[in-house]
Amino acid sequence: EAGVAQSPRYKIIEKRQSVAFWCNPISGHATLYWYQQILGQGPKLLIQFQNNGVVDDSQLPKDRFSAERLKGVDSTLKIQPAKLEDSAVYLCASSLVGGAFNEQFFGPGTRLTVL
Amino acid sequence: AQSVTQPDIHITVSEGASLELRCNYSYGATPYLFWYVQSPGQGLQLLLKYFSGDTLVQGIKGFEAEFKRSQSSFNLRKPSVHWSDAAEYFCAVGDGTGTASKLTFGTGTRLQVTL
Repeated sequence: EAGVAQSPRYKIIEKRQSVAFWCNPISGHATLYWYQQILGQGPKLLIQFQNNGVVDDSQLPKDRFSAERLKGVDSTLKIQPAKLEDSAVYLCASSLVGGAFNEQFFGPGTRLTVL
Repeated sequence: AQSVTQPDIHITVSEGASLELRCNYSYGATPYLFWYVQSPGQGLQLLLKYFSGDTLVQGIKGFEAEFKRSQSSFNLRKPSVHWSDAAEYFCAVGDGTGTASKLTFGTGTRLQVTL
């Protein structure tokens, strides 16, 4: 079974530029998560999708971050414009169904550096 | 709101020695507790989880964790560490089992194994 795929693996941009990350979850997983992991910290949930609907985006900085999950499969997370403090690893995870008790399968992440 | 504290940022153990990683949580109701491991360049992998019942939980790769309600702790243990266990370990608490429930992660403990 293929795992969660993410691209790109690394991205370096200047502040105020825009960037997009892509995630392909495990086939059949209804729930998709985007996490932000700043160096020295644990992952922080940005947004959770159930199929193509948003379940929780309370910690997503909506003035600059956006995410979509068209057709309930792949997802894209965008930052526009980027700030220095957005430097982090962005992790995508998926699970069969939503709920903290259900195992989340994580992708390898995209490491973003904002200069 | 729930929170997780991992007091040890970095731990070094010799191969073959025993290991205990500490985790303290804060949550108003029955906690749902998890340990994840993150190897360099890879996503997080679930080691074990606790929901209810037996307070000693067995996980993958020979790990176990013990839930102690009186101490608000969920420490991870392994009797004999292997060099391949070198990684970062995250404790997390879930805020329920509903579809919208989410994980809150600690800041992680980096494990170094010396030969």
